Amino acid sequence: KQEVTQIPAALSVPEGENLVLNCSFTDSAIYNLQWFRQDPGKGLTSLLLIQSSQREQTSGRLNASLDKSSGRSTLYIAASQPGDSATYLCAVPNSGYALNFGKGTSLLVTP
Amino acid sequence: DVKVTQSSRYLVKRTGEKVFLECVQDMDHENMFWYRQDPGLGLRLIYFSYDVKMKEKGDIPEGYSVSREKKERFSLILESASTNQTSMYLCASSRTALLTDTQYFGPGTRLTVL
Repeated sequence: KQEVTQIPAALSVPEGENLVLNCSFTDSAIYNLQWFRQDPGKGLTSLLLIQSSQREQTSGRLNASLDKSSGRSTLYIAASQPGDSATYLCAVPNSGYALNFGKGTSLLVTP
Repeated sequence: DVKVTQSSRYLVKRTGEKVFLECVQDMDHENMFWYRQDPGLGLRLIYFSYDVKMKEKGDIPEGYSVSREKKERFSLILESASTNQTSMYLCASSRTALLTDTQYFGPGTRLTVL
């Protein structure tokens, strides 16, 4: 079964720093990888979806990369802001159409 | 924009009650999903549906059932609620059965079973 791991589990940075969140997966035969954001007590918001044929996707200050062969993805956040504070989850689809999620990285950006 | 709505944000029920959680999507999506999210365990799939009246068990279906009578609506049913079903429940939908499609999530229902 596909296992998805996110490191670190928690991260605290001062405002303005660039940061990288990591996601690894055990089965490299993935169709895509998706990054989500979750604010406390809320649902998930899709940030970026990288198809297996792509190496990276960008949206504003966010850049996600995918290296299938090594089973890794990174989410790069440039010039972090307090409003970026949230939990970030990565997920890959399994053969049954649902998503396998990592347990997330809880990010705190301090003013 | 895709919109996925859930019937309640917060729900408190007693042990043994029958509980209905409802999810509605407004974009004619084929697939719908129910997950639960628990601290330290992450999100786990309970059930999903790829068409009206069709359903498939996920990783943790025990104690739950589902109903999809209309394409836009997917209900999660707790036949006899227990305290270990206290959790955050998240509904999601995707346009097709293609694994390349994005999943869109609702705001979640925080269920407490006393």
